[in-house]
Amino acid sequence: SQKIEQNSEALNIQEGKTATLTCNYTNYSPAYLQWYRQDPGRGPVFLLLIRENEKEKRKERLKVTFDTTLKQSLFHITASQPADSATYLCALDNGSGKLIFGQGTELSVKP
Amino acid sequence: DADVTQTPRNRITKTGKRIMLECSQTKGHDRMYWYRQDPGLGLQLIYYSFDVKDINKGEISDGYSVSRQAQAKFSLSLESAIPNQTALYFCATSDDRGEQYFGPGTRLTVL
Repeated sequence: SQKIEQNSEALNIQEGKTATLTCNYTNYSPAYLQWYRQDPGRGPVFLLLIRENEKEKRKERLKVTFDTTLKQSLFHITASQPADSATYLCALDNGSGKLIFGQGTELSVKP
Repeated sequence: DADVTQTPRNRITKTGKRIMLECSQTKGHDRMYWYRQDPGLGLQLIYYSFDVKDINKGEISDGYSVSRQAQAKFSLSLESAIPNQTALYFCATSDDRGEQYFGPGTRLTVL
């Protein structure tokens, strides 16, 4: 069955460091991979989308990589700030328009 | 004003009651989705609709039904609520580029 796995343990880092979050998948052929941010009790907010033929995409302090051979995406936040503390969700779309979400990784950035 | 609104924001009901959750959007998107989220878990797709005359079941549609009244409105019903339907429910919309825009969520408790 299709499976998406994100780091289940919370990630704690110091302000100013780079946070790296991992998303692995099995039994799936995504055409797109997306990353969302979710704050407690609120709806997810779209951050970045990367296509299967793209290796890397950047937006301000965010960088996403997508390796379809390893079946893995890495999500980086450089120069992290306490305001970046949230849960980050990866989601895959095989081109059908439906997303399958991972369970999310909680990031805590300490001042 | 928010692009995607959900009503009610919180609801407590009893087992066996019929409940309707409503979603409206002003983004002009054709695609709309209903998800549920349980603590520590990712979002699970309940139903989705790619236009007014299109309704499709998601991963966990049993016990739920939907109505797409207009391009801007998509309602989720629980015909006879049960306690394990206690969860946070999100509505989302998208265009054909794939990125989804989520509402603020409805916290439903079934006693």
